[in-house]
Amino acid sequence: DTEVTQTPKHLVMGMTNKKSLKCEQHMGHRAMYWYKQKAKKPPELMFVYSYEKLSINESVPSRFSPECPNSSLLNLHLHALQPEDSALYLCASSRLIGDTQYFGPGTRLTVL
Amino acid sequence: EDKVVQSPLSLVVHEGDTVTLNCSYEVTNFRSLLWYKQEKKAPTFLFMLTSSGIEKKSGRLSSILDKKELFSILNITATQTGDSAVYLCAVRGASGSRLTFGEGTQLTVNP
Repeated sequence: DTEVTQTPKHLVMGMTNKKSLKCEQHMGHRAMYWYKQKAKKPPELMFVYSYEKLSINESVPSRFSPECPNSSLLNLHLHALQPEDSALYLCASSRLIGDTQYFGPGTRLTVL
Repeated sequence: EDKVVQSPLSLVVHEGDTVTLNCSYEVTNFRSLLWYKQEKKAPTFLFMLTSSGIEKKSGRLSSILDKKELFSILNITATQTGDSAVYLCAVRGASGSRLTFGEGTQLTVNP
């Protein structure tokens, strides 16, 4: 299995909702990443996990809360988001930090 | 601050043409440069370059890195409509895990 999967594909939520994005890979990769991508812009790094521990937090607001329950799963918990948080959220994984990253298809998030 | 500049930002060609996409960079303690292809979905990894002068090739695509002049090029020969996409260049520097992306080149291949 050489794929990174993400669910849901699309998500519409209100500013008071709580939702979660999920990412899964079965390539044995020990590094996983969350990126945010706005329209016509390159992806911006949000979080990096290495061996299930948070390694990098790119000054992301606390309304985004990552979680890595095991080496195959990465979640992004969302609470009290703003309309400007609407974007494509991409998950990626790599064998180790510093290796080539493989991206999932993304979750298209719309905050009303 | 690491910086990646891609050119051109947009390119329209006809099927069969050859295109060259450019990527110049400024990065502290360069480690690698990556090329991605992004269509409507997530970026698809193309090449990772770490050494100068060694061409990486995959079918009609090839790429080379010049660490002295701090740039890379991505060549696509005999372009097809399926090559239409945004091509992203990214560099990894001293931080190891952080990728700095360029703005991308929007390539459109017309039949």
